[in-house]
Amino acid sequence: QVTLRESGPALVKPTETLTLTCTFSGFSLSSSGMCVSWVRQRPGKALEWLAVIDWTDDKYYTPSLKTRLTISQDTSKNQVVLRMTNMDLVDTGSYFCARIGQGFGDGMDVWGQGTTVTVSS
Amino acid sequence: SYELTQPPSVSVSPGQTARITCSGEALPMQHAYWYQQKPGQAPVLVIYKDSERPSGIPERFSGSSSGTIVTLTISGVHAEDEADYYCQSADTSGSRVFGGGTKLTVL
Repeated sequence: QVTLRESGPALVKPTETLTLTCTFSGFSLSSSGMCVSWVRQRPGKALEWLAVIDWTDDKYYTPSLKTRLTISQDTSKNQVVLRMTNMDLVDTGSYFCARIGQGFGDGMDVWGQGTTVTVSS
Repeated sequence: SYELTQPPSVSVSPGQTARITCSGEALPMQHAYWYQQKPGQAPVLVIYKDSERPSGIPERFSGSSSGTIVTLTISGVHAEDEADYYCQSADTSGSRVFGGGTKLTVL
């Protein structure tokens, strides 16, 4: 069974750096074709794709946030970490990680439940 | 930056057919994916590679593609299909993108 779970601080202050961890099980990010993406959703707004890391350790970022985002993996722990610098009030929202696996092309076939982040002083 | 455009809302009566469109310049070259999201829940993949349906997704959900427009069709809409629907694709640089979402209301 494939599962993903997001974890991180529920509250961060403006200008701080947010670090979120996606802990997964049931698949290996080292397997060909596997990727993990981060997606966020601000309150009442649409899904927003943030970043993806693949089995070759290639990384891609949404252009509008590229300078603030870093995605990395710890294969020994089955974790993918997303760092977002210089947090602002508008970064408040739910953050999801999702697997892009084999058989579904680029589709995000399994999602975590999401973690809510509030940016406030 | 690359954008996918969806109508903000679609309304249908139970049993009718709902069609949700998504337009984007790169759609002739890149596959599209559709997700259903209900309030307070994570999204669920309902269509992949334009028209394929994952196991467990009802047959009433189908997808099609024509040029720069992809369409999610829900035939014989049920009340439980009321949700937000998002298309997703990629540009040639490897960046993924979601559409703005369509709220499906079942009257």
